[in-house]
Amino acid sequence: SQKIEQNSEALNIQEGKTATLTCNYTNYSPAYLQWYRQDPGRGPVFLLLIRENEKEKRKERLKVTFDTTLKQSLFHITASQPADSATYLCALEGGSGNTGKLIFGQGTTLQVKP
Amino acid sequence: DAGVIQSPRHEVTEMGQEVTLRCKPISGHDYLFWYRQTMMRGLELLIYFNNNVPIDDSGMPEDRFSAKMPNASFSTLKIQPSEPRDSAVYFCASSLGSGGALGGYTFGSGTRLTVV
Repeated sequence: SQKIEQNSEALNIQEGKTATLTCNYTNYSPAYLQWYRQDPGRGPVFLLLIRENEKEKRKERLKVTFDTTLKQSLFHITASQPADSATYLCALEGGSGNTGKLIFGQGTTLQVKP
Repeated sequence: DAGVIQSPRHEVTEMGQEVTLRCKPISGHDYLFWYRQTMMRGLELLIYFNNNVPIDDSGMPEDRFSAKMPNASFSTLKIQPSEPRDSAVYFCASSLGSGGALGGYTFGSGTRLTVV
């Protein structure tokens, strides 16, 4: 069955370090993958989209990689700040048979300590 | 644009009552999605619309759930009768283009539903 896996354990890092979050998937052939940020009591907020033919995408302190062979995406936040503390969700467009809809992982909570 | 607007923000109702959640998508967006979020199951897609037409309702858990989109600026999700296991945060999201490929989904702030 289709599955999206994100590390359920919270990631705790020190301010200034690079945070790396992982998203693995099985039985998908997504055309693209997206990352969202969710703060408590709020809806998810779109951060980045990376297409299947792109290896890497950057936006300010954010970097996303997408390896369709490994079926994995890595999400990096460089020079992390306490304000980066949130839950980060990866989402896949459903691919064949599920075109047009995003399926979300459970999310990983990041805690950046000053 | 004020973003995706959902109402109410919080709803507490008794088991068996009808609940109606409302959503106003971003003007110009042609896709609208209803998701439900719980700690156990995360974000689950319930139903989505394209140009006001329901495309996929395979995520709607039971016949007790129904959704409508009478026009491009309004959608409702109705639960009748409600049950305690329906307690969750319900999000509405809209996007331009299929799957958010043109810039992701924009989510509303959600409706926290508690059925007692």
